[in-house]
Order: sequence, then structure tokens, then C-alpha cells
Amino acid sequence: DAKTTQPNSMESNEEEPVHLPCNHSTISGTDYIHWYRQLPSQGPEYVIHGLTSNVNNRMASLAIAEDRKSSTLILHRATLRDAAVYYCILRVDSSYKLIFGSGTRLLVRP
Amino acid sequence: EPEVTQTPSHQVTQMGQEVILRCVPISNHLYFYWYRQILGQKVEFLVSFYNNEISEKSEIFDDQFSVERPDGSNFTLKIRSTKLEDSAMYFCASSAGGISYNEQFFGPGTRLTVL
Repeated sequence: DAKTTQPNSMESNEEEPVHLPCNHSTISGTDYIHWYRQLPSQGPEYVIHGLTSNVNNRMASLAIAEDRKSSTLILHRATLRDAAVYYCILRVDSSYKLIFGSGTRLLVRP
Repeated sequence: EPEVTQTPSHQVTQMGQEVILRCVPISNHLYFYWYRQILGQKVEFLVSFYNNEISEKSEIFDDQFSVERPDGSNFTLKIRSTKLEDSAMYFCASSAGGISYNEQFFGPGTRLTVL
């Protein structure tokens, strides 16, 4: 399974944008880039996914580098409720499983 | 909004006993999963299930584990003879068919404590 590297933790101020980076230099051409988050004492929650192009949804934006070796999850306006562990996951096209790493713990300051 | 539900929220059992963890996936979903998270550790994939059979399983999912969709709505994980190291939070997840299978919806989890 291709590996992802994320910072252990990041901090942000409420109502400011947050850019969460992820490196995946060994990504293969058919790997999807997924982002999930886990709020305290809850199950993981889907945030966004993409393959090659940048993606937007109601929760976030995903910016994928042209060589696909890195990506950035963008929360446009952080709220206190966005404090969570954010996981960047590569999923092989032929597989359903999600392999979670340690993620980035996001702290949002009021 | 539809959601995945799991029962019980907390299960305490003695080592060597059998446990069954239950999940009700979202009703029109076709793909089902179990993950677990030992306290303070990563979320680990156990098994995926589609069309009434296991499609993938991890090394953790040995002969002590089994899954079943007994009645078209429930999805269960059975651990035949629990060990202390099976103590963890167990999450069920489901996803729809087609391109939407990329989005897995997770339940709130069952905390399993093996004494």
C-alpha cells in the first residue's frame, strides 16, 4: 500500500482558512486520494476524495499537485467543530479498503 | 439524514467468550466494512463484504472472526473466542454502489472490552 506523510498536528484560528498537507510520493496512477476526519469519540467521517483534478464539496476543497505526489485539504473557514484528526488515505482503484495512518490532529483556537 | 447504527455501544465480555457486534448499514448501500481502533492507535481495516461474500480481509481477520448479513438489513461481526487484545472500538461502515462507493459512512462504533 502506498504511504502518506502528514504533520502530526496543526493549529488554526476560528474562521480562518486551514491548509492540511499530505505527501504521497509513491502514489500510483490508479490510486485515489481520500480525506477522512475523526472527531473526538466518533467514527471516521468522509470529507472528500479525488484522482487527478482539484475537487470542491460543501465541506472542503482538495488541491492535488500536478505530479500527484502531494495534496492539500483546504477548510475555507475553520470552526471549532472542525477540530479533529484528519487522515489522508490512498486507495487502490481495485480495492475497497481504507488504510488509515496517524493523521494530522487539527486544533482550532477560538 | 441516513446513518449507520451499531449495537451495543459498549460490550464487556470475558476472555474466551463469543461476541457478536451488530450494525445496520444505510439501507440502499451495497458495500459493508468492519474496522477497529485499539485505544490510542490507528483505525485498522478488518474486512469488506459485497454481494454476500467477503471481498477483502486483512491479516487481523483470522479464523476467529466472521461476518454475516443474516437478514438483508443487519451486518454482524462475530468473534468466536475473544482475547484480551481484541479490546478495541469496532466501527462498521457502508457505501453505495457505482462511483459513490468511494464514500464510506461510518457508524458510531461499539467499544469491546475483554476481561
